[in-house]
Amino acid sequence: DVKVTQSSRYLVKRTGEKVFLECVQDMDHENMFWYRQDPGLGLRLIYFSYDVKMKEKGDIPEGYSVSREKKERFSLILESASTNQTSMYLCASSLVLADNEQFFGPGTRLTVL
Amino acid sequence: GENVEQHPSTLSVQEGDSAVIKCTYSDSASNYFPWYKQELGKRPQLIIDIRSNVGEKKDQRIAVTLNKTAKHFSLHITETQPEDSAVYFCAAVRTYKYIFGTGTRLKVLA
Repeated sequence: DVKVTQSSRYLVKRTGEKVFLECVQDMDHENMFWYRQDPGLGLRLIYFSYDVKMKEKGDIPEGYSVSREKKERFSLILESASTNQTSMYLCASSLVLADNEQFFGPGTRLTVL
Repeated sequence: GENVEQHPSTLSVQEGDSAVIKCTYSDSASNYFPWYKQELGKRPQLIIDIRSNVGEKKDQRIAVTLNKTAKHFSLHITETQPEDSAVYFCAAVRTYKYIFGTGTRLKVLA
């Protein structure tokens, strides 16, 4: 059974703070993804990674960066948090990059004040 | 850019009735169409998927149909039960790129 875990369920930060969201998967998946989920907008891809130290921008990468130093761990970084980054952040992983099921983590609800 | 339109945004049905959710996609190169169910406070989980070389797929009370010519696909849930209440997301996928619909909140009334 695939397990994708995220470091926090709820997080409250102040504008301008540097924020780290961490995601860990235990199924040796090559591919990991970060989405944000907003009401009425569905899930939108921020970044993904297809291998250690490899990353690609998704649809909304502005204001975010990522780090993948180990296969099982994928971090999302908000360099200087802003109120418009208040959202639910979902991490996902998949065994195969293309046209394949993604397994989601439980999400981190981030509030930026 | 590519998008997926999903309708309706909310759907209420009586227990035992059927529910149908429809999605229309724009990227004709999409070839994988998963449906995810997200219960309140929980993670999205795949419930059924279909690939572009198949027109219909069924798994117990859940079925998905795909019309590639018209670029739309639908989720059908029969004999709905209270535990079917959730938000359902469709997606159109081309390689790694998932384009999600905006979600349908399904309420099954007992």
